[in-house]
Amino acid sequence: EDQVTQSPEALRLQEGESSSLNCSYTVSGLRGLFWYRQDPGKGPEFLFTLYSAGEEKEKERLKATLTKKESFLHITAPKPEDSATYLCAVPLSWGKLQFGAGTQVVVTP
Amino acid sequence: NAGVTQTPKFRILKIGQSMTLQCTQDMNHNYMYWYRQDPGMGLKLIYYSVGAGITDKGEVPNGYNVSRSTTEDFPLRLELAAPSQTSVYFCASTSDRGTRVNTEAFFGQGTRLTVV
Repeated sequence: EDQVTQSPEALRLQEGESSSLNCSYTVSGLRGLFWYRQDPGKGPEFLFTLYSAGEEKEKERLKATLTKKESFLHITAPKPEDSATYLCAVPLSWGKLQFGAGTQVVVTP
Repeated sequence: NAGVTQTPKFRILKIGQSMTLQCTQDMNHNYMYWYRQDPGMGLKLIYYSVGAGITDKGEVPNGYNVSRSTTEDFPLRLELAAPSQTSVYFCASTSDRGTRVNTEAFFGQGTRLTVV
């Protein structure tokens, strides 16, 4: 059965304190992995797609990496505006997505 | 370009009532989806559609129905609402690009539904 597990469930950071979020998956025939950001009361917003092991993508203070078993989202020198829930998802057939439960990140000044 | 638009944003239903959650997209995407999100849980797929007239069940379809008469619209129908259907509902769409179907999905803002 396809499973996506994210850790930790919640993360509280001081502004400037770098950290990493983990997304591990058991999916047969992986065809990529997505990272989304979700703000309270909003829908998920696309951040990155990673297609193969070893691939890295960056956007401002965020960097996503992918191995054969897991993906990491590194947040470097976070700011309060980086506070959000970060979701990872793997694509199944027909564009369906299998989501992890998310990591809620709070960055305090 | 509005993207994916959902209405209503909030709704309170009484047990046994019915309602339709509306979803429309203006990106000419063939693939559309309905997910529900419960606290502390990931999004779960309810139903999906790969084109007008074609729909299929996802992981948690019980208590719901869908139809897809046009490319733009994908309404979700709740019949006989139950407290277990209290959740936040998201509609999403994505394009199908031949064999590379793993393009990102675009999500609506969600409908927060409470059944009392």
